[in-house]
Amino acid sequence: KNEVEQSPQNLTAQEGEFITINCSYSVGISALHWLQQHPGGGIVSLFMLSSGKKKHGRLIATINIQEKHSSLHITASHPRDSAVYICADERDSGAGSYQLTFGKGTKLSVIP
Amino acid sequence: NAGVTQTPKFQVLKTGQSMTLQCAQDMNHEYMSWYRQDPGMGLRLIHYSVGAGITDQGEVPNGYNVSRSTTEDFPLRLLSAAPSQTSVYFCASSYSGGTGGAETQYFGPGTRLLVL
Repeated sequence: KNEVEQSPQNLTAQEGEFITINCSYSVGISALHWLQQHPGGGIVSLFMLSSGKKKHGRLIATINIQEKHSSLHITASHPRDSAVYICADERDSGAGSYQLTFGKGTKLSVIP
Repeated sequence: NAGVTQTPKFQVLKTGQSMTLQCAQDMNHEYMSWYRQDPGMGLRLIHYSVGAGITDQGEVPNGYNVSRSTTEDFPLRLLSAAPSQTSVYFCASSYSGGTGGAETQYFGPGTRLLVL
């Protein structure tokens, strides 16, 4: 059974700190997704990557396919980054379809 | 574009009642899916669809029914509600891509369901 594990479960940081959230998966995948769930509940896609690294503003996502591991980094963290960050792996279901398996999320709180 | 819309935002049901959660998208996405989110657990796939007329089961399909008569709409039906179906339900959509791989996921705002 495919499992997606995230660490840490909870993270508190001071404003300006560099933050790393880790994600490990157990089987081969097509891609890895990082999502952000706001305190109000809305979910937004941050990254989708199958190799290497992607950067958007202060957010950087990396993936190591051989080690089945991905990281999400936030540089110069800000209180508005406070949210739950979720990783999900994507696997081919055949016949032109796919399925995502989600981690339980990492709750980040950034204190001013 | 409105993106992905869901109605209702909140619903209370009694055990045994049936209801339909509505999901619509205006981005012409082929792939649509329903997830439930429970405390302490990751989002879990209920049903998904790769296009009009095509649906398939996900990880937790029991007690739910779906159909996809148009590209835009993907309703989720609870046949006979049970307290175990108390959850937050999210609908999502994306392009499926030529190779069947995922593209950026767009989520609806969620429906909070309480079954008494």
